[in-house]
Amino acid sequence: QVQLVESGGGVFQPGRSLRLSCAASGFTFSSYAMHWVRQAPGKGLEWVALISYDGSYEYYTDSVKGRFTISRDNSKDTLFLQMNTLRPEDTAVYFCAGDWDWSFDLWGRGTLVTVSS
Amino acid sequence: QSALTQPASVSGSPGQSITISCAGTSSDIGYYNYVSWYQQYPGKAPKLIIYGVTNRPSGVSSRFSASKSGSTASLTISGLQAEDEAHYYCCSYTHSDTRVFGGGTQLTVL
Repeated sequence: QVQLVESGGGVFQPGRSLRLSCAASGFTFSSYAMHWVRQAPGKGLEWVALISYDGSYEYYTDSVKGRFTISRDNSKDTLFLQMNTLRPEDTAVYFCAGDWDWSFDLWGRGTLVTVSS
Repeated sequence: QSALTQPASVSGSPGQSITISCAGTSSDIGYYNYVSWYQQYPGKAPKLIIYGVTNRPSGVSSRFSASKSGSTASLTISGLQAEDEAHYYCCSYTHSDTRVFGGGTQLTVL
């Protein structure tokens, strides 16, 4: 069945780096633009980044520009988010999501990233 | 990239109809017909319930409908049921292929 599974979350110190992964299955991953969306504890959804279906372009929300990098490996049906120079305000559940008709059609269950000293 | 504006909470009794508003600007909702709505239960991933301003994905109840006027989008849920109690988020496409969410609305079924 259609599935997105995130991994790589945990507890990290401010200033450190980590890479999140999102494994896709059950659909043609290489045909979908993909996003990362995050949700801080008890807060609303925040769009983080987008990568085109072929990886030719990327866009980011202002607060992560220059620190986060979205990428994908279509040969392995996997999406990534490289997160550098972590800040406490990056603490959130990070969801990967597939794009359909400029909406988020497919969602993973999310992975929790906690940034704390 | 300011968030879209939604009421923090709305409530209604079973069987009634409620409407959730989502106010944007001429750079997002007012310019593009790419407004989507999501339902989220606590601890769960969001679920797409409306895309392209008015379209329901397959399997979404016809009790959910949506519209747009100017820079404000609206989600209407008719025939409220207990299972509709959840958070609802609007989202719009905006310039440079970015996206912006609303702050979310907690729906309480009385």
